Amino acid sequence: GQQVQQSPASLVLQEGENAELQCNFSSTATQLQWFYQSPGGSLVSLLSNPSGTKHTGRLTSTTVTKERRSSLHISSSQTTDSGTYLCAIDFNNAGAKLTFGGGTRLTVRP
Amino acid sequence: GPKVLQIPSHQIIDMGQMVTLNCDPVSNHLYFYWYKQILGQQMEFLVNFYNGKVMEKSKLFKDQFSVERPDGSYFTLKIQPTALEDSAVYFCASSPGGSNSDYTFGSGTRLLVI
Repeated sequence: GQQVQQSPASLVLQEGENAELQCNFSSTATQLQWFYQSPGGSLVSLLSNPSGTKHTGRLTSTTVTKERRSSLHISSSQTTDSGTYLCAIDFNNAGAKLTFGGGTRLTVRP
Repeated sequence: GPKVLQIPSHQIIDMGQMVTLNCDPVSNHLYFYWYKQILGQQMEFLVNFYNGKVMEKSKLFKDQFSVERPDGSYFTLKIQPTALEDSAVYFCASSPGGSNSDYTFGSGTRLLVI
C-alpha cells in the first residue's frame, strides 16, 4: 500500500541546535507537504516540496523524488519550534487526498 | 493566506445523538476533505468530495457518516448516530485540485462523545 514513514519519532534539542527530519514514502508523489502541528493540535502548512530544494525562513526541505525521500532541516531551533512535524504525500492522485506520516515530535529546550 | 474555517471548534454530544461538523473551504477550491485524528495518533483520511460527489472514502468512513455541500453552504460531515469511538479531532481541508496542489487545513473540531 501507499505509506509514509517519518523518522525519528521524537527528537530533543537544545535551543540553537539544528534539526533534521526525514520522510520516506512508498511510491511516486505528485505533492509533498510538510506541516507543523502545535501542542494544541492546530495544523499549519510549512512548505510544499514535491521535488528539489525549497527554503523558507529557517526551514529547508530537500526532496529526492527518485529515492522517495524528503528531509526538513530546521536551523537554529527555538523553543517555539516544539511540536509535531508531519509529512504528507499525494500519491499520484492529483488532488485526491494526502496520506500522512506518523510525525516527528520535536522538543526544543531552553 | 486563505483559510479553511471550521465550526464549532469543540462539541460534546451524548452517544447516539446526531452531530454535524461544518467547514467553510477556501473559496476557489474544488476538492474538499475530512480527516480524523484520535488524540496522540496519526492523521487519517476519511473522505474526499468533488463536484457534488464523494470520490473516495476510507474504511474509517462508517455507514453512520455522510457528507454534503449544498450550493453556497458549508461542506458538512454528519455522524448519525454517534458512538464513543467517534471522539476525535476532525479536520477539514480543501485544495484546488491537480498535480502539485497545496492543501489547506482548518483548525479542527474537537468532538467528544460521552
